Amino acid sequence: AQKVTQAQTEISVVEKEDVTLDCVYETRDTTYYLFWYKQPPSGELVFLIRRNSFDEQNEISGRYSWNFQKSTSSFNFTITASQVVDSAVYFCALSVFSGTYKYIFGTGTRLKVLA
Amino acid sequence: EAGVAQSPRYKIIEKRQSVAFWCNPISGHATLYWYQQILGQGPKLLIQFQNNGVVDDSQLPKDRFSAERLKGVDSTLKIQPAKLEDSAVYLCASRFSGQVKNIQYFGAGTRLSVL
Repeated sequence: AQKVTQAQTEISVVEKEDVTLDCVYETRDTTYYLFWYKQPPSGELVFLIRRNSFDEQNEISGRYSWNFQKSTSSFNFTITASQVVDSAVYFCALSVFSGTYKYIFGTGTRLKVLA
Repeated sequence: EAGVAQSPRYKIIEKRQSVAFWCNPISGHATLYWYQQILGQGPKLLIQFQNNGVVDDSQLPKDRFSAERLKGVDSTLKIQPAKLEDSAVYLCASRFSGQVKNIQYFGAGTRLSVL
């Protein structure tokens, strides 16, 4: 069975601080995809980043960076120099193929960036 | 490019009443998903369509929930009769089939309150 765990329910930081959101996943599939989505108060889930299981290269995109480690089944997401507009709920998701692509979401981490 | 459109944004009904939600996916996206997101949880898949056919409805409470996508474009999700526990945000997402990047794009959702 597949599972995504986001142990951090809520995080508060002061503007300009760096913050890391943790994500641990479980799957027996060798091919899978990992995602981070942002859900602002407006409600729409906004796609942020995606990684497949064969690409452990970590990247930086603007203020966002991610750390994918298959050895620990973790896919952590870091925001550098946080801003008030980063305040939202962030979801980690796992996608595996079982006849069709299935997506399993974590319970989300609420990030509050204080001015 | 227009995103996933959903209506209404909000709906308040009494228990045992009926309600319907509408979704228009991104043009050209053959795969459409309906999710239920209860407060404080991640989205849970209710039903997945590929064009106008159902691919996965294993988590859809079929005694009260129904969904259709007759022309393979827009879709309707119905609840009849509604229960208090159906209070949630109902999210629609779409994906371009065959898309290498396997990314779902979400609408803003319909927030349902059952009194």
